[in-house]
This record gives sequence, C-alpha cells and structure tokens, in this order.
Amino acid sequence: AQKVTQAQTEISVVEKEDVTLDCVYETRDTTYYLFWYKQPPSGELVFLIRRNSFDEQNEISGRYSWNFQKSTSSFNFTITASQVVDSAVYFCALSEARGNNRLAFGKGNQVVVIP
Amino acid sequence: NAGVTQTPKFRILKIGQSMTLQCTQDMNHNYMYWYRQDPGMGLKLIYYSVGAGITDKGEVPNGYNVSRSTTEDFPLRLELAAPSQTSVYFCASSYPGSGNTIYFGEGSWLTVV
Repeated sequence: AQKVTQAQTEISVVEKEDVTLDCVYETRDTTYYLFWYKQPPSGELVFLIRRNSFDEQNEISGRYSWNFQKSTSSFNFTITASQVVDSAVYFCALSEARGNNRLAFGKGNQVVVIP
Repeated sequence: NAGVTQTPKFRILKIGQSMTLQCTQDMNHNYMYWYRQDPGMGLKLIYYSVGAGITDKGEVPNGYNVSRSTTEDFPLRLELAAPSQTSVYFCASSYPGSGNTIYFGEGSWLTVV
C-alpha cells in the first residue's frame, strides 16, 4: 500500500525567507511517481512538479527546487525567497505505476508567508 | 480548453437528502476519479474508473455510488447525505502512459446540515 507523510502542519515564514517542506513516502512498487501540488485559498489544486522513481536528479525551477532521495524515501520541496502569493497548502502525493494513476496524498502543509 | 468540469460548485444538503455531483472531461481520458478533501486533510480516493462500464472502490467509498456509462462522464451519487460527507469533492482524469499525469477539476464544496 502506498502512503505519504507530511509531518509539519503549519509553517510560517517571513517574506523572502526560504521554506522547505518535508515528504516521506512508502511504496512496494519499484516504479512510481511523486508530485507536489499547491492549493491556494481559492481551493483549486495546482500541479507544481512530478518526479519518477528512476530520476533522482534534483532540479531547480524558478523559485522551486526539490530533493528526491530514494535511500530515505523522501521528496522534499523548497521555495526560495518566499512571497506572499506562496501562502497556500502544499500537498505531496505518490502514484504507483501499476495503480491506474491513483494518487495517495499527504495531509498537506499550510504555508503562511508574512509580509 | 474545458478539461475536467464539475458541477455544482457549491451545494448545501439536508441530512438524508440525495444528490449527484456531475463530472465530465473532454480529453478522451480512460481513467477518472473522485476524491474528497476534509478540512485540514489531504485528498482521499472515493471511487475510480478505468473505462466506460468499469468502476472500482477507493479508500472511502461508503455512502457513495458511481457509474461510468460514457468515457466523458463520471457522476458521483450521494445517497442519504450525512454530516460526515461535508467535504470538498474533486473529480480528476488521466490516461495510461501519461506518466501518471492527473488533471483535476476545480472542486465542489458540499455541506450537509
């Protein structure tokens, strides 16, 4: 069974600070996909990033970066130089390759960026 | 570019009433899903379908029914609404070989009083 754990619930930062969100996952599949979604106050789900289990290369995309480590089953996400518009709930999610694209979500991190 | 469309966006139900949340997608996706999101929680899978005529239970199916008579539509039926079904409901779609890319609707806010 697939499981995603996001330990922190609410994180407050002052604008321009960096914020890192932790995600730990469990799966028995060797092929899987990891995601981060953003849910702003308006409620919709915004896709941010996706990584497959064969690609541990960490990348930076604008102010977003992620750290994927299979050895520790972690997929952490960092927002650099946070802005007020980054205030949202962020979800980590896992989808197994043999699971018909079903997603397992973590409970989410509420990020509050203080101006 | 309609994508995944859900209706209604907001609804208040009385305990014991029934209703159907509509979901349609125009991307010819085989896979469709219904998730619910309770306050302060992540999304949980209610039901999913891998094609017309095929549906299967997810993590929290009790109190709901679905049908998939066409590729485009995947309605979610709530029978005998209960306060525990107060939630935000998301419909989503995907297709095999998409790299597990999921397309979400904008959500439906349901309150049962």
